[in-house]
Amino acid sequence: TQLLEQSPQFLSIQEGENLTVYCNSSSVFSSLQWYRQEPGEGPVLLVTVVTGGEVKKLKRLTFQFGDARKDSSLHITAAQPGDTGLYLCAGAGQGAQKLVFGQGTRLTINP
Amino acid sequence: DSGVTQTPKHLITATGQRVTLRCSPRSGDLSVYWYQQSLDQGLQFLIQYYNGEERAKGNILERFSAQQFPDLHSELNLSSLELGDSALYFCASSGGQPYSPLHFGNGTRLTVT
Repeated sequence: TQLLEQSPQFLSIQEGENLTVYCNSSSVFSSLQWYRQEPGEGPVLLVTVVTGGEVKKLKRLTFQFGDARKDSSLHITAAQPGDTGLYLCAGAGQGAQKLVFGQGTRLTINP
Repeated sequence: DSGVTQTPKHLITATGQRVTLRCSPRSGDLSVYWYQQSLDQGLQFLIQYYNGEERAKGNILERFSAQQFPDLHSELNLSSLELGDSALYFCASSGGQPYSPLHFGNGTRLTVT
């Protein structure tokens, strides 16, 4: 069974600070996706990373896929209250369609 | 708006009962996935259908079953409900290609009393 562990589980910081959340596994994934979920809604895709070592940027968000394709990180620069939410990483195994989700990091940005 | 519609939004029922959750996928998507989200276990994959056929199975209990109909909508049936089945149930759809993102509905919140 492929497992994804996210850390930290909870993070509360002040507006303007930087932060990094991590997504780790002992398994290799063919791709990894990051989603953000807000209360009362389903998760929404932020990014998909496919190649080991790949870095993708989405405005103030930087996503990195580990060289061995077993881990990923999400870095947010100058966090804003609108970044508040549950961040989920999800990995797909080789040839597998189903996504395995991590437990999520609940991020709160205080004004 | 993801284009995925789930009904009902809320469901309250008693232990031992049976309920059916419904999902209409995004137009053109052939794959439908069901996930269970509870406070202490995150998003757990239950089952996937592709164009009417079961494609992958996760941690789905024997009391739960699902199907995808010819018009591609899907239903998740939960029977002999227990208190621990209380959770958010999400449906997601995708085009079925590798690396396709999942488009989630807004979920059905099931409360078993």
